[in-house]
Amino acid sequence: AAGVIQSPRHLIKEKRETATLKCYPIPRHDTVYWYQQGPGQDPQFLISFYEKMQSDKGSIPDRFSAQQFSDYHSELNMSSLELGDSALYFCASSLGAPPLNTEAFFGQGTRLTVV
Amino acid sequence: AQKVTQAQTEISVVEKEDVTLDCVYETRDTTYYLFWYKQPPSGELVFLIRRNSFDEQNEISGRYSWNFQKSTSSFNFTITASQVVDSAVYFCALSEDRGGSNYKLTFGKGTLLTVNP
Repeated sequence: AAGVIQSPRHLIKEKRETATLKCYPIPRHDTVYWYQQGPGQDPQFLISFYEKMQSDKGSIPDRFSAQQFSDYHSELNMSSLELGDSALYFCASSLGAPPLNTEAFFGQGTRLTVV
Repeated sequence: AQKVTQAQTEISVVEKEDVTLDCVYETRDTTYYLFWYKQPPSGELVFLIRRNSFDEQNEISGRYSWNFQKSTSSFNFTITASQVVDSAVYFCALSEDRGGSNYKLTFGKGTLLTVNP
């Protein structure tokens, strides 16, 4: 079965550079969630989208922005990268509007390293 | 505010032992969801179970079982006859249902389980 696809899987950037992470949800899933997991930490919710509209927001820095496109894929744009942005970034997708939406499945994550 | 506490940072067992991972949560909502995820060394998050606050039935899936007790705000996870492949970090998570994304999860700090041969 198709899963959530994240690209790239690994990314190395220098401080102050920009990065774009992509998430392709499971086919027909219309909801996307982004999480950030620092080294040795638990995942932290960043932002979510339902039907291309932002549905909820967590601890996402102002330097980050995200959107969901008409094909439901999502991109997380990160500017002025800092060393502390080094983390594993997860995307998850589910189908349907809360509270009746289906299980959310996570992608394998993008490991961002800022040097 | 919601909070998930996994008091056990690390647990080490020998294969075939049973092991219970504790999870205590805090929320002011009456409707919420509880989850367990497994994160093996490869890094992906593997969904194990979702339980809503109105369903206190315990669940068993193979060697895995979950004990949900609202009275003590706990959602503990037991692995029976543990295997080396069970070695991973296990996260308990909570989501409140406020009409927004109910996968806006608050995770516990995780429990690193090491199963030795």
